[in-house]
Amino acid sequence: QSVLTQPASVSGSPGQSITISCTGTSSDVGGYKYVSWYQQHPGKAPKVMIYEVSKRPSGVSNRFSGSKSGNTASLTISGLQAEDEADYYCSAYRSSTTVLFGGGTKLTVL
Amino acid sequence: EVQLVQSGAEVKEPGDSLKISCKTSGYSFSTYWIGWVRQMPGKGLEWMGIIYPGDSETRYSPSFQGQVTISADKSMTTAYLQWSSLKASDSAMYYCARRSDYVGDYWGQGTLVTVSS
Repeated sequence: QSVLTQPASVSGSPGQSITISCTGTSSDVGGYKYVSWYQQHPGKAPKVMIYEVSKRPSGVSNRFSGSKSGNTASLTISGLQAEDEADYYCSAYRSSTTVLFGGGTKLTVL
Repeated sequence: EVQLVQSGAEVKEPGDSLKISCKTSGYSFSTYWIGWVRQMPGKGLEWMGIIYPGDSETRYSPSFQGQVTISADKSMTTAYLQWSSLKASDSAMYYCARRSDYVGDYWGQGTLVTVSS
């Protein structure tokens, strides 16, 4: 069982918006700005979509946004597209030796 | 262009040793942490540990301390992950990733390790 809790699956239709939550504790998600989100398509390496809670790397669509409230971080994808179907993982700093991942959320585009 | 290119898939028997590699290019190898992530079949991601090639400081996640060894060769701009005695439970996909402020910003393509008798 992962320390960061994510829903196992979410789904949405093309054009809709979805939000994936990531719940941790005050020692990780709630305690630092180092929360990130990764997208992983089947058979591919993860790709960072959001870092430091809400920043987007160059090249990532502005349909992806991140936020945090207390010990829960969220990834929102607006204008859902078929290519967004993938697994999504949150990640959070806990200590100099520990960066946690969530258990992952499978996004299905209906 | 930043690139991380990992060595190929491995099939080993329990008790074998193994060293897989991650060849980097396109950035200053010595000035970024680089780490390894395990993904067991059908499961999530786990950071195993990281190394700072500039001074070889290495940090292991508690779950992997003593189980693997992470190293780096500055002259080859390559990071390594090695096992002295593999177990069936080590069967997984292993990714290397450059770490920048606790984020894996560039990733290798993955190395599949299969341990079976």
